[in-house]
Amino acid sequence: AQKITQTQPGMFVQEKEAVTLDCTYDTSDPSYGLFWYKQPSSGEMIFLIYQGSYDQQNATEGRYSLNFQKARKSANLVISASQLGDSAMYFCAMRDQMDSNYQLIWGAGTKLIIKP
Amino acid sequence: EAQVTQNPRYLITVTGKKLTVTCSQNMNHEYMSWYRQDPGLGLRQIYYSMNVEVTDKGDVPEGYKVSRKEKRNFPLILESPSPNQTSLYFCASSLPGLASNEQFFGPGTRLTVL
Repeated sequence: AQKITQTQPGMFVQEKEAVTLDCTYDTSDPSYGLFWYKQPSSGEMIFLIYQGSYDQQNATEGRYSLNFQKARKSANLVISASQLGDSAMYFCAMRDQMDSNYQLIWGAGTKLIIKP
Repeated sequence: EAQVTQNPRYLITVTGKKLTVTCSQNMNHEYMSWYRQDPGLGLRQIYYSMNVEVTDKGDVPEGYKVSRKEKRNFPLILESPSPNQTSLYFCASSLPGLASNEQFFGPGTRLTVL
C-alpha cells in the first residue's frame, strides 16, 4: 500500500539558514509522482515542487529543491536561505500512476518555524 | 485567473442539520476530489469524480455525499453532520491521466459541528 512518512513533527530554524524537511514513501508502482505543498496559517494549500519517479535530475523551483533518492525511497525538500515567511506546515504527497482513484496520499506534515 | 473556489469558508453548525459545501473550478478539469484534513493525519480523500456523473468513494466516505452534474461543480453534502466531521475540507481539481498532473486546491472550508 502507498504510504508517506514525515518523521519531523516540528522544526525550528534560524532565518537565512537552509532547512531540509524529510519525506520517505512506499509504493509498488514504478511510475509515481511526488509533491510538496506548503500550508501557511491561513490554511490554503500552496504547491511548491514536483518530482517524477523517472526524472533523472532533482527538481528545483527557486529556493526549493527536492533531494530525490529513489533507492532509499526518500524525497526530502530543501529550502535554501530560509525566510520568516517560510514558517508554515509542509506536506509531502504522492500519487501512483496506476492508482485508479487518482488520489494524492499525504504525510502528516512538518511544522516549520523560522526564528529571526 | 485559474482557480478552485469553495463556499462557505467557515461554517459552524449543529448535529443533524444538513449542509452543502460548494466547489467550483474554472479550468475545465475532468477530475475533482474532496479531502478532509485532521491534525496529525494529513489529508484524506473523501470522494472523487473522474468526470460528469462519475463519482466514487475515497478512503473516508462515511457520512458524505457528492454529485457531479456539471463539469465545473462538485458539491459535498453532509446529510446529518456529526461532531466527528469537524474538520478542514479541501476541494481539488486536475487533469486526469498522469501522475505528474498538479492538483489545484480550493482555499478550504473550516467546518465545526456542535
